[in-house]
Amino acid sequence: GDSVTQMEGPVTLSEEAFLTINCTYTATGYPSLFWYVQYPGEGLQLLLKATKADDKGSNKGFEATYRKETTSFHLEKGSVQVSDSAVYFCALGRYGSSNTGKLIFGQGTTLQVKP
Amino acid sequence: EPEVTQTPSHQVTQMGQEVILRCVPISNHLYFYWYRQILGQKVEFLVSFYNNEISEKSEIFDDQFSVERPDGSNFTLKIRSTKLEDSAMYFCASSEISGNTIYFGEGSWLTVV
Repeated sequence: GDSVTQMEGPVTLSEEAFLTINCTYTATGYPSLFWYVQYPGEGLQLLLKATKADDKGSNKGFEATYRKETTSFHLEKGSVQVSDSAVYFCALGRYGSSNTGKLIFGQGTTLQVKP
Repeated sequence: EPEVTQTPSHQVTQMGQEVILRCVPISNHLYFYWYRQILGQKVEFLVSFYNNEISEKSEIFDDQFSVERPDGSNFTLKIRSTKLEDSAMYFCASSEISGNTIYFGEGSWLTVV
C-alpha cells in the first residue's frame, strides 16, 4: 500500500540556515504530494502541494519538487526564521472520483530554529 | 479565508463514556474526513464521508466510532464507549473534490481518564 517516510527529527538550525527535510514515498501510479505544517498548539495547515511529476510547489519561501524517478518530495527553504519552528508533515493523496481522497502522512519532522 | 471549525477544543471524559466531536466544514466542500494524532505519533486517517455515506474507513474506525452529517453544516464523530487509547487530537477536514486540497480544523483534544 501507499506509504510516506520522512527523515527523523528533530532538526535544529540557526536562523538564516538552509533547510532540507527529506520525504520519500511508495505508491503506484501518480499520487499528489503535500507538505503540511503544524505550529505549536495549532492544527495542520497546508504549506504546499504538487500534483504531477516535476511540479514544484512553493509557499512562504518553502519549495518542494515532485521527483518521480527518485519517489521524493523534499522540502527546502533557503533561509529559515525562528517563526518556522514547527512540525512538518509530508503526505500523499489521490485525486479522482474513484478515490476517497484520504491522505497518508509521514511521521512528521520537528524543526527548531534558534536565533 | 474559509476555515474548518471544530468544537470542543479540549474535552476530558471518563473511560466508557460517549463523546461527540463536532465540526463545521467549509461551506462548499463535499468531502469530509476525520483524522487523529496520538501524542508524538503520525496523523492517521480514520474515515472519509461523501454524499451522506462513508466512502472509506481505516481499521481504527471500528464499531465504537460513527460519523454523521445531521444537517447541512455539521459533521460529527461519535465515540460510543471511550477507551484510554482513544486519547488523541482529532482533526476534522474537508475538501471540495476527492483528493483536492484538504483543509484541516484546529483539532479537538480528547483526554480519556
